[in-house]
Amino acid sequence: DAGVIQSPRHEVTEMGQEVTLRCKPISGHNSLFWYRQTMMRGLELLIYFNNNVPIDDSGMPEDRFSAKMPNASFSTLKIQPSEPRDSAVYFCASSLNRDQPQHFGDGTRLSIL
Amino acid sequence: GNSVTQMEGPVTLSEEAFLTINCTYTATGYPSLFWYVQYPGEGLQLLLKATKADDKGSNKGFEATYRKETTSFHLEKGSVQVSDSAVYFCALTTQTGANNLFFGTGTRLTVIP
Repeated sequence: DAGVIQSPRHEVTEMGQEVTLRCKPISGHNSLFWYRQTMMRGLELLIYFNNNVPIDDSGMPEDRFSAKMPNASFSTLKIQPSEPRDSAVYFCASSLNRDQPQHFGDGTRLSIL
Repeated sequence: GNSVTQMEGPVTLSEEAFLTINCTYTATGYPSLFWYVQYPGEGLQLLLKATKADDKGSNKGFEATYRKETTSFHLEKGSVQVSDSAVYFCALTTQTGANNLFFGTGTRLTVIP
C-alpha cells in the first residue's frame, strides 16, 4: 500500500512568494495532520482535519498560513507571503481513526531565502 | 495539560551496547504512548506503542513499558546496531477528541562500529 505522499520533497523560494505544500493521505484514513519541524521548536502540530473538516487550527502560526482539504484524498498547506522564518520541514500524517497510530509522509523541506 | 519530556541527546553508543532513552509524560485523561523513529531524510515511523498501564510495546528489538505510577515510557534495546542510528521521539495521544500527537523534543542516537 502507498503511504502518505507529500510533494514537493524540497522547495526553495524567495521571501514574499506563495508556497503550496501538498499531501495525499493513505486511502481510507479519515484524519489528517500537518506538522512543522524545526531545530528550535521540534515537532509542532499546525492543524488537523477529521473527515475533511478542520477540527483544530490553533497551531497555525498566523494568518499567512492556511490549509484546506477539499476531499478525502488531498490536502494543501499554503503560506502567503512566505518569510525566512517559515523555513522548516513540514510533515503530513494520516490515521485511520482516533484509535490508530498516525502514518507520516517523508516531509517537504522548505527554504525561504 | 499534555506534554512529553524526553532525555536530551545526542546519545553515542558503540555497537552492541545497551540503550535506554528516558521519557516521562503528563496528560489529561488516560493517554496512549508511542515511540516514533526518524531516519535521516525521512518522515517519522511508528516504532512501538502501548495503550494501557503495564502494557509493553516491542518492535525490532526495542521495548518500552507503560508505567502509570511513574508516568514513564522509557525506550530500551539490549544490543544496538549501526542501523539504529536515528532520532527517536516519544509521544502521547489522549482519549478525548482527535488523536493529535504530543511529541517530545527527540533524542538523536548515533551508533558507531
